[in-house]
Amino acid sequence: DQQVKQNSPSLSVQEGRISILNCDYTNSMFDYFLWYKKYPAEGPTFLISISSIKDKNEDGRFTVFLNKSAKHLSLHIVPSQPGDSAVYFCAASEPTSGTYKYIFGTGTRLKVLA
Amino acid sequence: DAMVIQNPRYQVTQFGKPVTLSCSQTLNHNVMYWYQQKSSQAPKLLFHYYDKDFNNEADTPDNFQSRRPNTSFCFLDIRSPGLGDAAMYLCATSSHTRDTQYFGPGTRLTVL
Repeated sequence: DQQVKQNSPSLSVQEGRISILNCDYTNSMFDYFLWYKKYPAEGPTFLISISSIKDKNEDGRFTVFLNKSAKHLSLHIVPSQPGDSAVYFCAASEPTSGTYKYIFGTGTRLKVLA
Repeated sequence: DAMVIQNPRYQVTQFGKPVTLSCSQTLNHNVMYWYQQKSSQAPKLLFHYYDKDFNNEADTPDNFQSRRPNTSFCFLDIRSPGLGDAAMYLCATSSHTRDTQYFGPGTRLTVL
């Protein structure tokens, strides 16, 4: 059963507008969340993270919002640029047996149109 | 630049023929991971090493083995690849299991 879900496989946004990528999770033990960006033929690269003690984290054009009661997080990109076109993965971490493990979503492919 | 390197980038093997994928890192990280990612699916953790301590995921098939001879290198051995093992294999590292993971570019495995 998928504990981290990205229900939108793809998203197209006009350059300069806001991109909103969504992620839902089912496990209330998750306490740390990350977003990764992946270009073709490259591995995922870390973008931004948020701890469960916060509801918002901002880094330049990227902001992640966490709604724990809804078990939902979102990534906002403002303004969107063509170079943001990539696959975005949401990942959640849970402490388990003295270590931490990340569970990834299936990804959302963002296309920013010039 | 410090980085995570995977070789080869593309690997073709025959059904049942053992194959080894390689990962090296210059980050001097304690933890190294292997993920399997099939098309349109989430990366799935197979196992990880914390230093020399091996941690296998419960649902990782016995067909998959790993070796970490030193801090810099980690290998994924698939003893008898089946058609269902065709996938992208991603290696990642982190200084601690809690920390951000740094990924290599992946090895795409094809099984004929």
